[in-house]
Amino acid sequence: DTGVSQDPRHKITKRGQNVTFRCDPISEHNRLYWYRQTLGQGPEFLTYFQNEAQLEKSRLLSDRFSAERPKGSFSTLEIQRTEQGDSAMYLCATSGEASTDTQYFGPGTRLTVL
Amino acid sequence: QKEVEQNSGPLSVPEGAIASLNCTYSDRGSQSFFWYRQYSGKSPELIMFIYSNGDKEDGRFTAQLNKASQYVSLLIRDSQPSDSATYLCAVTAGGFKTIFGAGTRLFVKA
Repeated sequence: DTGVSQDPRHKITKRGQNVTFRCDPISEHNRLYWYRQTLGQGPEFLTYFQNEAQLEKSRLLSDRFSAERPKGSFSTLEIQRTEQGDSAMYLCATSGEASTDTQYFGPGTRLTVL
Repeated sequence: QKEVEQNSGPLSVPEGAIASLNCTYSDRGSQSFFWYRQYSGKSPELIMFIYSNGDKEDGRFTAQLNKASQYVSLLIRDSQPSDSATYLCAVTAGGFKTIFGAGTRLFVKA
């Protein structure tokens, strides 16, 4: 257990529905990352927060995806109008102040879109 | 060209042997290099990080970095069946965006 928690661990939804995932970071970590991972691939960068500021968002992320980190603590990732291609493991990772700090991953949320 | 490339494997080694995992990256400005281990159905966990050219050892693991060749490797000595997993190479450039390779599957045969 790295200290990063994610909720829910599993989510099954029907195509077209909206889903929201939550990540609670290690308390002293001010950097938070969201990744998506599909079978046989490494984690794919989605977005990054430093405290409450969203500093980068992948060009691969469509407008259906949005992430927030109010007050620089927990973060949410919302997917609107889900598609079958959104089925994946969504991973949250957090790290400390230095840019070279290790990222610690949460257990992930596995999304299945039917 | 993928930004971080790894041989997908599977790499199969007998118990007690040395497993050698390799990774190349395309961005010459890359600054930090990480090896993560991922068991099936689990999230990645850090094994080692390396920032400078040369070797870095931690127990049975040795990371090697050659920035001129844009190459980073991981050696696992005295491989154990519990080392069987997917090994992910990750590279960070410019501070916060980390790019992962697709991973190499390692099987250690008892």
